[in-house]
Amino acid sequence: DTAVSQTPKYLVTQMGNDKSIKCEQNLGHDTMYWYKQDSKKFLKIMFSYNNKELIINETVPNRFSPKSPDKAHLNLHINSLELGDSAVYFCASSQGWTASMENGYTFGSGTRLTVV
Amino acid sequence: QKEVEQNSGPLSVPEGAIASLNCTYSDRGSQSFFWYRQYSGKSPELIMSIYSNGDKEDGRFTAQLNKASQYVSLLIRDSQPSDSATYLCAVNIRGGNQFYFGTGTSLTVIP
Repeated sequence: DTAVSQTPKYLVTQMGNDKSIKCEQNLGHDTMYWYKQDSKKFLKIMFSYNNKELIINETVPNRFSPKSPDKAHLNLHINSLELGDSAVYFCASSQGWTASMENGYTFGSGTRLTVV
Repeated sequence: QKEVEQNSGPLSVPEGAIASLNCTYSDRGSQSFFWYRQYSGKSPELIMSIYSNGDKEDGRFTAQLNKASQYVSLLIRDSQPSDSATYLCAVNIRGGNQFYFGTGTSLTVIP
């Protein structure tokens, strides 16, 4: 029943490792996003895909690579993890991606990444 | 200036009072505005959207938009302890296809 699901929920890893976070939505939405929320609750967009095509790529280190195999999935791979990557990563989806989109975003439950 | 700014709080109000949350934004061309609520350790959930100047009411929540002043607010009437959360303002910026969030306002409703 979960609309936007992310795995894993928690991820603890050492500096320098490579890790992936998976996201799937069953809402039939055509646009998916990755957001990073830091310790001060600031939500910053990282990437957005519309119908599997990259439409937003904010200033994010190229160690972060999104992949969208289909409209319902958007995964995030992170290479050479650094301490500063520790945050909560939220996947979200929406129907449409312009200012006129209805109903905003539906967020996943988040992945708390801790790099030690 | 940040694209979207909110007073981080914390804002404390007694149960039954009106809580007023404010948000300002930098892009005069912004067209869409959302308010999200985020409980501690949970994901943001949409409360309201507003697109036109004026007020929009939904139950105990009222969103107010003033594009001339680049200001959007959220009023919560008859505040309940269950309203205690962080409230995030989101605004579309730079031509409409990107939404930026404010840093959120932490609200505590005191029983």
